[in-house]
Amino acid sequence: NFMLTQPHSMSESPGKTISISCTRSSGSIASNFVQWYQQRPGSAPTIVIYEDNERPSGVPDRFSGSIDSSSNSASLTISGLKTEDGADYYCQSYDDNDHVIFGGGTKLTVL
Amino acid sequence: QVQLVQSGAEVKKPGSSVKISCKASGGIFNSNIISWVRQAPGQGPEWMGRIIPILGTANYAQKFQGRVTITADKSTTTAQMELTRLRSEDTAIYYCAREMSSSSWFGPWGQGTLVTVSS
Repeated sequence: NFMLTQPHSMSESPGKTISISCTRSSGSIASNFVQWYQQRPGSAPTIVIYEDNERPSGVPDRFSGSIDSSSNSASLTISGLKTEDGADYYCQSYDDNDHVIFGGGTKLTVL
Repeated sequence: QVQLVQSGAEVKKPGSSVKISCKASGGIFNSNIISWVRQAPGQGPEWMGRIIPILGTANYAQKFQGRVTITADKSTTTAQMELTRLRSEDTAIYYCAREMSSSSWFGPWGQGTLVTVSS
């Protein structure tokens, strides 16, 4: 099985743009879709990006996803940061046996 | 509206078992996959396993093989997850979630059930 590694924490100012990385330890990042979830304290995670770069209805277009085969990583980019974007973000993928793998999470502070 | 509602918090002794239920509504049950994910305090989510209710087939993460059983009752549109031989490290919030078969993403999620394992 592979691991998904995220930065433990990140901080940025309102209005700026930030990218959170998710690096796959083995195998190609392009082999299996990557999802991103936002989680606020006391709540269940909610999907913000699925299938690498698809945005569910209701998620602002300030959120976007991408993958980079050269670094074997996926990224969640949030533009025009708002204080309410401060939350924990998790990437998620799956292996060839359809076993699900989550990243360790990134705590985003917007202030 | 698609919704998953879970049973309430549990306090268990080490070595015992816990069974959590997840009631599905809004047409989610028969045509989807239900997965169980847990999250220990301060940790990221951890996938435990899934069931396809219409088939009744389940598969589990290797870490939980032999300790977890996931079942589904189509008549009540309820999925259940039982975890046995509990230890303190199993203290966590347990979530059920619909899993999209195309690419294994999750949504919606249940509200979560806190399981505390303590002597």
